[in-house]
Amino acid sequence: DAKTTQPTSMDCAEGRAANLPCNHSTISGNEYVYWYRQIHSQGPQYIIHGLKNNETNEMASLIITEDRKSSTLILPHATLRDTAVYYCIVREGGSNYKLTFGKGTLLTVNP
Amino acid sequence: EADIYQTPRYLVIGTGKKITLECSQTMGHDKMYWYQQDPGMELHLIHYSYGVNSTEKGDLSSESTVSRIRTEHFPLTLESARPSHTSQYLCASRALGGSPLHFGNGTRLTVT
Repeated sequence: DAKTTQPTSMDCAEGRAANLPCNHSTISGNEYVYWYRQIHSQGPQYIIHGLKNNETNEMASLIITEDRKSSTLILPHATLRDTAVYYCIVREGGSNYKLTFGKGTLLTVNP
Repeated sequence: EADIYQTPRYLVIGTGKKITLECSQTMGHDKMYWYQQDPGMELHLIHYSYGVNSTEKGDLSSESTVSRIRTEHFPLTLESARPSHTSQYLCASRALGGSPLHFGNGTRLTVT
């Protein structure tokens, strides 16, 4: 199963872009990269996912390198409410996949 | 927002009691999951189900049991609660294919 590596913590100034990196060097060709976040022990919230191409939605952008060994989640204009633990996860298995959560990155957005 | 509900939100109970944590979703999802999370720690998968009458143990061994008699309902039961069961329990569901997980807000269990 592909594993991910994320920094333990990051800081970002309010209004600036937050760029959260994730390394998944053992990812296989049919595995997707998912990003979730968890705010203060609430249930995790889905943000975005992708396979090869860059993706964008109303919450964030996902940039996946051409070799797919790493990705970056971008929050274009971070707010204080974006302070949370961000999880980068690689989907394992076929259609009946499980999602295994690691320690994630604690992003603190500062005023 | 996804429609997945967990009750109770908080539960304080004495050692030896039997408890059931409820999880229901109204999205018709076949896949459902239970995760356990201690404060400030990782989520650990303890049970999952791929449909009615299907249940499997997750990556973290747990003394709890689950059942899946109806698509929308995935309760978790502890026959005899112990202080070591004190934790947050999070339920999630998803549709087929590569669709993402939708989580409930969790049940924070304290066993005294």
